[in-house]
Amino acid sequence: DIQMTQSPSTLSASVGDRVTITCRASQSINSWLAWYQQKPGKAPKLLIYKASSLESGVPSRFSGSGSGTEFTLTISSLQPDDFAIYYCHQYNSYWTFGQGTKVEIK
Amino acid sequence: QVQLQESGPGLVKPSQTLSLTCTVSGGSISSGDYYWGWFRQPPGKGLEWIGYIHSSGTTSYNPSLESRVTISLDTSKNQFSLRLSSVTASDTAVYYCARKPPQYGLDVWGQGTTVTVSS
Repeated sequence: DIQMTQSPSTLSASVGDRVTITCRASQSINSWLAWYQQKPGKAPKLLIYKASSLESGVPSRFSGSGSGTEFTLTISSLQPDDFAIYYCHQYNSYWTFGQGTKVEIK
Repeated sequence: QVQLQESGPGLVKPSQTLSLTCTVSGGSISSGDYYWGWFRQPPGKGLEWIGYIHSSGTTSYNPSLESRVTISLDTSKNQFSLRLSSVTASDTAVYYCARKPPQYGLDVWGQGTTVTVSS
């Protein structure tokens, strides 16, 4: 099975900060990776697919990069609406999620 | 646009079978090239993939749950269903259904339904 490891688990940041979350796969997943944002009591929301493609309607301050085993999600200028939990998701072989990264207010 | 809605009992007794349905509206479940998946999230924890069924009827399950899981399509009702047998308290979670186009992420999600396993 492919394991996905996200870091950090928690990230404290201020509005306007540049934020980067990393996701590492236990083996190559090519570019078959997505990122989601989840707020309390809500379903996850797709942000990025195929490692770097921005989902329609998602603000351009969100970007994704990487291939193979190492991936990043970057928020270029953190906004109040961005405080949430972020998950990576590989769909190269079966499907697996990272454990999540909570972005909290500093 | 396509919408998904989970339904089913909110309380299941230990050792029994959990059964949930995801109703798809705004599009046909059997047309197009889509994967229809089930996921769960225990209280305060992360997301876990349970399994999926493709529009063609092909299934794939999380190896850690495979022995207890069945996912099926009901094209006449535009629904897909989850059955999880021999449940224990550790199966208590919010259960979600979602759609995934090929090469894409999970682009449409249901709102989730809470299932508690307790006697």
